[in-house]
Amino acid sequence: EAGVTQSPTHLIKTRGQQATLRCSPISGHTSVYWYQQALGLGLQFLLWYDEGEERNRGNFPPRFSGRQFPNYSSELNVNALELEDSALYLCASSLVSGPGSYEQYFGPGTRLTVT
Amino acid sequence: AQKVTQAQTEISVVEKEDVTLDCVYETRDTTYYLFWYKQPPSGELVFLIRRNSFDEQNEISGRYSWNFQKSTSSFNFTITASQVVDSAVYFCALSEGAYNTDKLIFGTGTRLQVFP
Repeated sequence: EAGVTQSPTHLIKTRGQQATLRCSPISGHTSVYWYQQALGLGLQFLLWYDEGEERNRGNFPPRFSGRQFPNYSSELNVNALELEDSALYLCASSLVSGPGSYEQYFGPGTRLTVT
Repeated sequence: AQKVTQAQTEISVVEKEDVTLDCVYETRDTTYYLFWYKQPPSGELVFLIRRNSFDEQNEISGRYSWNFQKSTSSFNFTITASQVVDSAVYFCALSEGAYNTDKLIFGTGTRLQVFP
């Protein structure tokens, strides 16, 4: 069974530009979570989508946004990039209803570098 | 407030040594879940274990064991007879609520280096 996939692996952008990161969940998972892992700041929760809706949002400015598509894949958009947005962005997926356990399974991440 | 503390920033051991990674959490919820994840150099977080707040039974999986103590709000992780492949950053995490479907609150991680 395929795990969580993310694209691109690496992304280099200039300050002020926009970045779009993509995530495909494990088949059957309806929830997608985004986390930022910046140097010195640890892993911080960004966004949670389930069934196409935003369920929770971390303490990040509005220029961090996203969406979830009908096939449960998700996009994270970061507008007006700042140098401190440079980080590893991790996507996770899980089930949130029905039988089974609800662990979050993570993808390999997208490393965003803002210059 | 919810918080996870991993006081050990980095631990170095020689292969075959036992090592314990500490995790202390804070939550006001009576129902919560605790997790351990491993992050090897490749970057992908690998799920290791989930434990809910009502189950204080210790768990053993091969060389890995976990000790959950609500009285001290701790969820420690022990690797027995460590191997070089165990070298990674290990994160403890907390999820509140009955179904652990919401965000994970991570500790700052402990970098484990196992030398041959």
